[in-house]
Amino acid sequence: DAMVIQNPRYQVTQFGKPVTLSCSQTLNHNVMYWYQQKSSQAPKLLFHYYDKDFNNEADTPDNFQSRRPNTSFCFLDIRSPGLGDAAMYLCATRRGPGVQETQYFGPGTRLLVL
Amino acid sequence: KNQVEQSPQSLIILEGKNCTLQCNYTVSPFSNLRWYKQDTGRGPVSLTIMTFSENTKSNGRYTATLDADTKQSSLHITASQLSDSASYICVVSADNNNDMRFGAGTRLTVKP
Repeated sequence: DAMVIQNPRYQVTQFGKPVTLSCSQTLNHNVMYWYQQKSSQAPKLLFHYYDKDFNNEADTPDNFQSRRPNTSFCFLDIRSPGLGDAAMYLCATRRGPGVQETQYFGPGTRLLVL
Repeated sequence: KNQVEQSPQSLIILEGKNCTLQCNYTVSPFSNLRWYKQDTGRGPVSLTIMTFSENTKSNGRYTATLDADTKQSSLHITASQLSDSASYICVVSADNNNDMRFGAGTRLTVKP
């Protein structure tokens, strides 16, 4: 049973055309993360929510925004995608900050920018 | 500068053989270290998690070790299977546990 769901799995957009990626979870976890992963590289944290508290990484471009309207859903908005934003976008959740708490990742959305 | 270094970058082995992947880190203060398996085009899946006081953790054919003194970890895969072909990512968390540093991963290919 899918616990962290990402839609769509593949997204094609045009240069400069806003795009939204979605993530939902059935785990009722407090923490949700968005990562960007480029080919053969480690996932790079963009931001995370602890409940409604938004935490932006210092080097996340302003082009990337996020919304978490409720516990289950979290969205990644890319306002003006550039060619360099083509990547896999991973959503992850975690119940809380406890040391033994595991992160659960979704399958990812692969974004292609034309 | 990435604080988590993994080696080798890629590895090819024959089915049934064992292999060991390495992770060296400089993350401090250390909280925990996790190994993930990431199949191509999929999200990472947790294999093991170890805290400072643990030096070995097993999950089936996967055994992770941790030496917190030398800041090294290894993931040993026994009797490899074709389905073990994936990227293996080492993730080290600092003390506040929200500061997670990802290694670039080791790409393992198991051939028949």
